Amino acid sequence: DVKVTQSSRYLVKRTGEKVFLECVQDMDHENMFWYRQDPGLGLRLIYFSYDVKMKEKGDIPEGYSVSREKKERFSLILESASTNQTSMYLCASTQSSYEQYFGPGTRLTVT
Amino acid sequence: GNSVTQMEGPVTLSEEAFLTINCTYTATGYPSLFWYVQYPGEGLQLLLKATKADDKGSNKGFEATYRKETTSFHLEKGSVQVSDSAVYFCALSVAGGGADGLTFGKGTHLIIQP
Repeated sequence: DVKVTQSSRYLVKRTGEKVFLECVQDMDHENMFWYRQDPGLGLRLIYFSYDVKMKEKGDIPEGYSVSREKKERFSLILESASTNQTSMYLCASTQSSYEQYFGPGTRLTVT
Repeated sequence: GNSVTQMEGPVTLSEEAFLTINCTYTATGYPSLFWYVQYPGEGLQLLLKATKADDKGSNKGFEATYRKETTSFHLEKGSVQVSDSAVYFCALSVAGGGADGLTFGKGTHLIIQP
């Protein structure tokens, strides 16, 4: 059974903190993605990666960075968290099979 | 750019009613089209897909047909159940397999009442 896991379901951080969101997939997929989900806005792509150490900006990369040191792990980094980054963050992976597999999401609150 | 427009929710129906959720798109090239579903407290999961014009995707009683002439991919189900209550997202990809990421609509919250 395919699986994408995210390090936390809920996270509360203070403004200015550095935040790491971790995502791990066990399907040996090459492509991994980070989205944020906001009410009334749907899902928006932040960054994606098609190989180890490779990254591409999505639609809303400002304020975020990513790291992919191993094929199975894709990290999203908020260098200095701000209140407008309070959101649900979803990780996904695919092997170009037309289906992206999503993790359960991390609900991040920045106070 | 690419975009997906779907009907705003919430959509509230009685059990066994007929469901239609409209979805239209704008895309460069020839996109693949998807419907994803998100049940409460969970991530998204693929419901159905269509990769070329006139294809019909189907799963769990849901259907959607890729209409190139109207740039639409409307989701339908003949008789909904309470367990279908969820948020439904229409999405597209112009790169094969979604390897470049998906463009999503804003989602439609479906509520089925017994």
